[in-house]
Amino acid sequence: GAVVSQHPSRVICKSGTSVKIECRSLDFQATTMFWYRQFPKQSLMLMATSNEGSKATYEQGVEKDKFLINHASLTLSTLTVTSAHPEDSSFYICSARDVTGSYNSPLHFGNGTRLTVT
Amino acid sequence: DAKTTQPNSMESNEEEPVHLPCNHSTISGTDYIHWYRQLPSQGPEYVIHGLTSNVNNRMASLAIAEDRKSSTLILHRATLRDAAVYYCILRAGASGGGADGLTFGKGTHLIIQP
Repeated sequence: GAVVSQHPSRVICKSGTSVKIECRSLDFQATTMFWYRQFPKQSLMLMATSNEGSKATYEQGVEKDKFLINHASLTLSTLTVTSAHPEDSSFYICSARDVTGSYNSPLHFGNGTRLTVT
Repeated sequence: DAKTTQPNSMESNEEEPVHLPCNHSTISGTDYIHWYRQLPSQGPEYVIHGLTSNVNNRMASLAIAEDRKSSTLILHRATLRDAAVYYCILRAGASGGGADGLTFGKGTHLIIQP
């Protein structure tokens, strides 16, 4: 089956530093990847849509200068949390849709990155 | 995406069937019904999806009401590994442009008793 690899699975960083999270589709190509954030005991919230070769589309209320997204290839998207603060501590999850699939093809999710900002 | 309503939690016994309901009374004619589940500390996992007819796969069955205003995810024989949050999500049949990521509600927390 289609696999999405997310790295790192856990990261602890100090307040004010930046953290990069990678999302790779291992056995398929993805023109579109999605980034979600999930706070404890809450549901997933879509942050942004990452499009290969173009700028990401951010959901309302998500700061594009704070959450930098780069989708440089058909198999890799990165999310950089810049100048992280404790309130950015969350579970970040990416997902991808196979470029060969239809619009309604299932999305494949990574196993998430738990970010803790101290 | 149209709204779905699911019970907050359900409990079942191991090796028994589980029926997870979802109401979606405002579904449009082109909306697909998708189900995903999320095990603790993991990303969501696709379970099944359908449009009008009932669907079966190796994980589950999806029963869709004739008027499509509700659906039921059926786990035929629950195991402890099926304990997860199950999300019922409507997805438009064709992209209208803009973001087309899934919109997750609160889902149903399924508890499996040994």
